[in-house]
Amino acid sequence: AQKITQTQPGMFVQEKEAVTLDCTYDTSDPSYGLFWYKQPSSGEMIFLIYQGSYDQQNATEGRYSLNFQKARKSANLVISASQLGDSAMYFCAMSPGVKAAGNKLTFGGGTRVLVKP
Amino acid sequence: EADIYQTPRYLVIGTGKKITLECSQTMGHDKMYWYQQDPGMELHLIHYSYGVNSTEKGDLSSESTVSRIRTEHFPLTLESARPSHTSQYLCASSAPGQGNTGELFFGEGSRLTVL
Repeated sequence: AQKITQTQPGMFVQEKEAVTLDCTYDTSDPSYGLFWYKQPSSGEMIFLIYQGSYDQQNATEGRYSLNFQKARKSANLVISASQLGDSAMYFCAMSPGVKAAGNKLTFGGGTRVLVKP
Repeated sequence: EADIYQTPRYLVIGTGKKITLECSQTMGHDKMYWYQQDPGMELHLIHYSYGVNSTEKGDLSSESTVSRIRTEHFPLTLESARPSHTSQYLCASSAPGQGNTGELFFGEGSRLTVL
């Protein structure tokens, strides 16, 4: 079974500063995918970034980067230059298999981020 | 932008009523999913489908049922709603093939309140 743990229920961050959201995972599968999603107050889930378990380099997408430490089973999300629109819930998730091999995602409990002007 | 639609967005209904939450996608995705999410909490998979006439129960037990008669349509039904069913229901789909990351594309969700 796969398990995702997000230990930070909520965080404040100053506008234009960087913030790191923690995510640790547990799985016995050698192959897996790691995802981060953003959920604004409107409720929809927005895909941010993906990291495959075999990827050698950390994933980056614009202001988002994923700090993947396989030995520590962590996949922290770093948001650089925070903007007011970044205020939302952030969920870490994982899937069995890499890429489209397994699409059933298991989600963590989420971290609420509030960006202060 | 993902083309996956859920209706209704909001539904307030009395106990014992039958409800159907609609989900449609225009991307031709074979795989579709229903997640249940209480406010501010994690998402739990309740149903999934890997194609027409294929449906499976997810990790969280649910009294709801689903059907997949057409690729683009994946409705969720509660035969007799109860207050414990009050939650947000999120529909998602994913693209096939090894070229994709396997990300899920989500609809905007249906917020159900049962009085």
